[in-house]
Amino acid sequence: AQSVTQLGSHVSVSEGALVLLRCNYSSSVPPYLFWYVQYPNQGLQLLLKYTSAATLVKGINGFEAEFKKSETSFHLTKPSAHMSDAAEYFCAVSDPDTGFQKLVFGTGTRLLVSP
Amino acid sequence: ETGVTQSPTHLIKTRGQQVTLRCSSQSGHNTVSWYQQALGQGPQFIFQYYREEENGRGNFPPRFSGLQFPNYSSELNVNALELDDSALYLCASTRGDRDFTGELFFGEGSRLTVL
Repeated sequence: AQSVTQLGSHVSVSEGALVLLRCNYSSSVPPYLFWYVQYPNQGLQLLLKYTSAATLVKGINGFEAEFKKSETSFHLTKPSAHMSDAAEYFCAVSDPDTGFQKLVFGTGTRLLVSP
Repeated sequence: ETGVTQSPTHLIKTRGQQVTLRCSSQSGHNTVSWYQQALGQGPQFIFQYYREEENGRGNFPPRFSGLQFPNYSSELNVNALELDDSALYLCASTRGDRDFTGELFFGEGSRLTVL
């Protein structure tokens, strides 16, 4: 069964600092991988996705992630944090062969940005 | 383009009662899936409907049931409510054909509190 592990339930950074949110996955087949963001009292919004094309994926709001098969990782980064980046971030994995679009989410990482 | 809309946004029920949550999918989307997000957790897949039929189900008991209508809107029904059913219920829509890109479009959710 597929699974996702997000290391760190909370990450705190200062405005302008590097953001690094960690995600490791477990999958028996080449997966699709995603990062979603959830702002308070809102649904989830897709930041970026990996679907077996380029291993370095660029998303919205300056975020990017790199798929590393050897490390089974898909860490999310942003060079310079903004106050508006404060939110909950979820890594998710999908098996493209299941025949339906089920996502398995990690438990999330709350990003806190201080002035 | 109208996004995914859910109703009601908040509701309170007591143990043993039944609840119906509603979702209108985004224009052009024929697949709807439902997720349960308990406090402090990532979303958990409940089930998915494609062209009015359930075509995937997560690890949820039969008292969780659903429907999809010809206009692709959907309902989630939960019978015999338990305290642990308190959660944010998220609806997501997508195109459920071979052009699946892996991106789900989420509504803002229905927050259910069971007392």
